[in-house]
Amino acid sequence: AQSVTQLGSHVSVSEGALVLLRCNYSSSVPPYLFWYVQYPNQGLQLLLKYTSAATLVKGINGFEAEFKKSETSFHLTKPSAHMSDAAEYFCAVSENTGNQFYFGTGTSLTVIP
Amino acid sequence: DTGVSQDPRHKITKRGQNVTFRCDPISEHNRLYWYRQTLGQGPEFLTYFQNEAQLEKSRLLSDRFSAERPKGSFSTLEIQRTEQGDSAMYLCASTGYQETQYFGPGTRLLVL
Repeated sequence: AQSVTQLGSHVSVSEGALVLLRCNYSSSVPPYLFWYVQYPNQGLQLLLKYTSAATLVKGINGFEAEFKKSETSFHLTKPSAHMSDAAEYFCAVSENTGNQFYFGTGTSLTVIP
Repeated sequence: DTGVSQDPRHKITKRGQNVTFRCDPISEHNRLYWYRQTLGQGPEFLTYFQNEAQLEKSRLLSDRFSAERPKGSFSTLEIQRTEQGDSAMYLCASTGYQETQYFGPGTRLLVL
């Protein structure tokens, strides 16, 4: 069985500060891992994905995530938060076969000016 | 590549009515997924098609829900005898021969 846990349903950072959104996964097979961002009343937009290549993955808008198998983690970071980063962020895991995704409950990021 | 589109974007209906949503995936994507998302939650898987074949359905998909993808292109999701608990955002996603799912903007349903 696969699952995702996102620690912290709400995270607030100051503009220019480091963003760290946590994601831990459970998977019985080597996982594919994803981070998506969702703005109000919109669908999900892919930020980045891990597919068993490089463990440090760079995505759009300056975000990156590191796959740590020993910690079963895939935390999302950005060195300097921007006001436009305020949104809901979802971590997701899927099997190699790329069937259904299992999403976490999301982390709402607030950026304080 | 125009992305995944969904229609309508918003739907308000009265309890007991039937509603139908449409999803147009990215062209040439053979897999299509439906998810439901309620406020404050991540998307929950409902069902999945590979071409026209419906390969998997979640336990969340009650008998009132039915999905089709008759020609392996667009898909419809119908909810019969809607209930207030059906109020949610219904998301569609598609993928080709790789693992990334691309999501549409969603259809927000409100059942009064």
